[in-house]
Amino acid sequence: KAGVTQTPRYLIKTRGQQVTLSCSPISGHRSVSWYQQTPGQGLQFLFEYFSETQRNKGNFPGRFSGRQFSNSRSEMNVSTLELGDSALYLCASSVGQGGYEQYFGPGTRLTVT
Amino acid sequence: SQKIEQNSEALNIQEGKTATLTCNYTNYSPAYLQWYRQDPGRGPVFLLLIRENEKEKRKERLKVTFDTTLKQSLFHITASQPADSATYLCAPPRADKLIFGTGTRLQVFP
Repeated sequence: KAGVTQTPRYLIKTRGQQVTLSCSPISGHRSVSWYQQTPGQGLQFLFEYFSETQRNKGNFPGRFSGRQFSNSRSEMNVSTLELGDSALYLCASSVGQGGYEQYFGPGTRLTVT
Repeated sequence: SQKIEQNSEALNIQEGKTATLTCNYTNYSPAYLQWYRQDPGRGPVFLLLIRENEKEKRKERLKVTFDTTLKQSLFHITASQPADSATYLCAPPRADKLIFGTGTRLQVFP
């Protein structure tokens, strides 16, 4: 089975721009979660989607949004980028919600200049 | 608010010894707890899940304990090898959201 894939792997954006990141889960997995990882804050939960609905949300501003498509693929969007948004964005999929191990993708390294 | 603490930022041990990593959580009672391994530049990899009614769980050279009274999980790697060098993250969920600790960077030297 193919693992979780994320595109693009690297991205450089300017402050004020917006960005869209994509995640393809493992086939058969219906839950997709997004995380932000920075050296200072560690791995922080952004949101989780299951069956095209956002089921859970972390403590991030409304500039961070996401969606899930009927094939379980997911995108996250960050608008009005700030320097502090520079981070590794990780997507993880699991077979269901809660209590299941998560399978992470390689991440998208976003640099905001 | 909930807080996850892992014993130290870095742990250096000699090959063949047992590495013991600690995860302490406060202000909530998770029904289960997960451990992940992360190598530089890669996403975390799931290792073990232990539920609140399980005191101990093993997988090959790995062993995890879960003490709900102490609000602590211990992660052991026996007969450690240089290939075990990585950052290990514990993740006790709250309201179905995985809350990750800051991780312990384990270095196993020959």
